[in-house]
Amino acid sequence: DGGITQSPKYLFRKEGQNVTLSCEQNLNHDAMYWYRQDPGQGLRLIYYSQIVNDFQKGDIAEGYSVSREKKESFPLTVTSAQKNPTAFYLCASSTAGTGDYGYTFGSGTRLTVV
Amino acid sequence: AQRVTQPEKLLSVFKGAPVELKCNYSYSGSPELFWYVQYSRQRLQLLLRHISRESIKGFTADLNKGETSFHLKKPFAQEEDSAMYYCALFIIQGAQKLVFGQGTRLTINP
Repeated sequence: DGGITQSPKYLFRKEGQNVTLSCEQNLNHDAMYWYRQDPGQGLRLIYYSQIVNDFQKGDIAEGYSVSREKKESFPLTVTSAQKNPTAFYLCASSTAGTGDYGYTFGSGTRLTVV
Repeated sequence: AQRVTQPEKLLSVFKGAPVELKCNYSYSGSPELFWYVQYSRQRLQLLLRHISRESIKGFTADLNKGETSFHLKKPFAQEEDSAMYYCALFIIQGAQKLVFGQGTRLTINP
């Protein structure tokens, strides 16, 4: 069953801690993306990666880091430098450059700072 | 700057009434626009894309380059249409990525 899996579904972080959100896809998609979803602000792009071992900052990259060592995986680390990390995080993937620009989204991770 | 604007955060209509969710964009290139929908407790999913000129679940959207708009319409709303709707612009210049609007929460009243 092809798809994109995010884990965990809920994550609690203490202030000052780094946490890593997992995103795995078995769709053979080249491109992967991380978005942050806040009420009234829509989806804002954090980081994206078009190919393995390459990624670019999105609109709100400060306080976040990513890696793309494998095509299937694009983990997001929320560092202690992120001032307001409590949010819903969405991962997506797509077959970039093929003319079909639809994204497939994961089910999301809700991060809460306690 | 590339930007997508959905002016209505909340929209409430009665079942059977027409629905129009507004979307305006700002982009210097040739726009590729999409509507995504998120039903309660479900994943965000693609509803329709302007390049395919399709109608999904009775919804249509026409690209108006003169008004830089891509409004989503349905002639007769159904209760199952209640959801969060996002308009999105695909940026082709440079790295390819989707830019989303702020979203509109549509509620269909019985």
